[in-house]
Amino acid sequence: GNSVTQMEGPVTLSEEAFLTINCTYTATGYPSLFWYVQYPGEGLQLLLKATKADDKGSNKGFEATYRKETTSFHLEKGSVQVSDSAVYFCALTLFSGGYNKLIFGAGTRLAVHP
Amino acid sequence: DGGITQSPKYLFRKEGQNVTLSCEQNLNHDAMYWYRQDPGQGLRLIYYSQIVNDFQKGDIAEGYSVSREKKESFPLTVTSAQKNPTAFYLCASQGYNEQFFGPGTRLTVL
Repeated sequence: GNSVTQMEGPVTLSEEAFLTINCTYTATGYPSLFWYVQYPGEGLQLLLKATKADDKGSNKGFEATYRKETTSFHLEKGSVQVSDSAVYFCALTLFSGGYNKLIFGAGTRLAVHP
Repeated sequence: DGGITQSPKYLFRKEGQNVTLSCEQNLNHDAMYWYRQDPGQGLRLIYYSQIVNDFQKGDIAEGYSVSREKKESFPLTVTSAQKNPTAFYLCASQGYNEQFFGPGTRLTVL
């Protein structure tokens, strides 16, 4: 079946450290891939997306590349800030059963300390 | 500003009560969704609606009901049949190749 697996958290980093959050997926067809971010007590915000193989999504210093050969979409940032502390969700979307089905990973909590 | 609003932000329910969560969007999107989020877990789909007066069950529809009488509105009712309703509920609408989310309603059963 279709699924998303992302690394378990929490991930704890010092400010200005390099961030990687791993995400791999299993899907039939050709999904689009997303990273959403959730700040405490809030809804989800789209961070970045990629719609086809080898696309790189980027936003606010975060990047992720759609790797079809390894079925991965790892999130990276070169220098994290305290304000990046949040929960990050990897997701894929497929048009299935007549609608756009969005499938989420379990989320990875990131805590950045000064 | 275009977006999705959910109300209330916090909701408390007594055992055996039905409660209704509001979701309104002014993005002119046809498709809308309700998700449930439990601590440490991803989002699970409760119901979705592709168009007015039509809706379909998602993965965890038992104990929930919805209506879609207007394009802008997609309210969710949590019925007394839902045995473990304490969770964070998120509404979303479908744009071009991405879903937009509301701020959520946190429901607690007393």
